[in-house]
Amino acid sequence: GAVVSQHPSWVICKSGTSVKIECRSLDFQATTMFWYRQFPKQSLMLMATSNEGSKATYEQGVEKDKFLINHASLTLSTLTVTSAHPEDSSFYICSARDLTGNQPQHFGDGTRLSIL
Amino acid sequence: GQNIDQPTEMTATEGAIVQINCTYQTSGFNGLFWYQQHAGEAPTFLSYNVLDGLEEKGRFSSFLSRSKGYSYLLLKELQMKDSASYLCAPMDSNYQLIWGAGTKLIIKP
Repeated sequence: GAVVSQHPSWVICKSGTSVKIECRSLDFQATTMFWYRQFPKQSLMLMATSNEGSKATYEQGVEKDKFLINHASLTLSTLTVTSAHPEDSSFYICSARDLTGNQPQHFGDGTRLSIL
Repeated sequence: GQNIDQPTEMTATEGAIVQINCTYQTSGFNGLFWYQQHAGEAPTFLSYNVLDGLEEKGRFSSFLSRSKGYSYLLLKELQMKDSASYLCAPMDSNYQLIWGAGTKLIIKP
């Protein structure tokens, strides 16, 4: 149980392109989903917390107009990197948590984004 | 502030036992999670402790002392596939996980 699917797993695109990443909880309802970014050999950095039906809460330093998050249902959240630039190249990982607060976050497989 | 302290890197031998220590400070506490992360992959959940004591799950065990702000992950009968980073992640009063850089475990034959 507790499977989270993230798509796509790898994206290579030109600078200025917008990229959408999907995160789905396959066998449970996720009221809360989290979006992380991880640069090589660094720790996970929380970008935003997304609650179903409400606006995402962004961490300090994360531009909400650049990283658009939508969490329209209990099983789907999307992250759109708008007008991506080479410095946005990173490993983006989503996680989802079951309804109760103290359950583990289950991670998707991540999306490796490379902007040329 | 909130912080986590784990060794940056550890080395152990295949078949041996290794203990990865973690000390933490958080605003409130709702348990502590351990995750495993192989290079280039997303983290996977290993264990959760909310009460003091030892939780055993196969070759992996996790211990918590809330009064000391201390946890450890014990790995027995080490296998080469256990080479990975191990992340200690306490959960604060807002049910947010606090992430450190983790401990990179290298297993040698």
